[in-house]
Amino acid sequence: GENVEQHPSTLSVQEGDSAVIKCTYSDSASNYFPWYKQELGKRPQLIIDIRSNVGEKKDQRIAVTLNKTAKHFSLHITETQPEDSAVYFCAASIVLGGGADGLTFGKGTHLIIQP
Amino acid sequence: KAGVTQTPRYLIKTRGQQVTLSCSPISGHRSVSWYQQTPGQGLQFLFEYFSETQRNKGNFPGRFSGRQFSNSRSEMNVSTLELGDSALYLCASSSTSVTNQETQYFGPGTRLLVL
Repeated sequence: GENVEQHPSTLSVQEGDSAVIKCTYSDSASNYFPWYKQELGKRPQLIIDIRSNVGEKKDQRIAVTLNKTAKHFSLHITETQPEDSAVYFCAASIVLGGGADGLTFGKGTHLIIQP
Repeated sequence: KAGVTQTPRYLIKTRGQQVTLSCSPISGHRSVSWYQQTPGQGLQFLFEYFSETQRNKGNFPGRFSGRQFSNSRSEMNVSTLELGDSALYLCASSSTSVTNQETQYFGPGTRLLVL
């Protein structure tokens, strides 16, 4: 089955600096890679996603890059702000037997923005 | 549109009991996936339902089951509860499937504590 590795597990950056979170996946059939942000006590919220037919996608301060050959994708947050502090999860779509599918998640990165 | 809703939000049960959790997807969404979130294991896929059919299941014991109704609402059931079942149970809905690169939207979760 699919396996998603996410690094680092904790990332502390100064406010205004950039943050980069990296994920690798194992199943070359995966074709959808969302990133979720989860604040303490709240549900995961989709912040950006990328599909296998593009290499990069940007939305204001957030960007995601995908390298299908190397099977890795990364989240980039620029000009970090205190409200960016949260746990970030990467995920990759998986195709299970019987035509079903789901998402395999990385273990999460706790991003801490230092004032 | 209203978001994904889950009931109840909190539950306390004792070992050996059973529990039923409910999820109402976003209107028009036909796919409902269930995930278990724990500090140690992160977010793990339980199963996915589409048009009242369980298409497949993650690596969980048979004590975990579910169903989906004709209005796409879904329930999951855990029988013979164990202490290790204490977790946040999240459901997510999408219009068709993740394999089709459809975004999944999460509900607020049900926090289950087994004593």
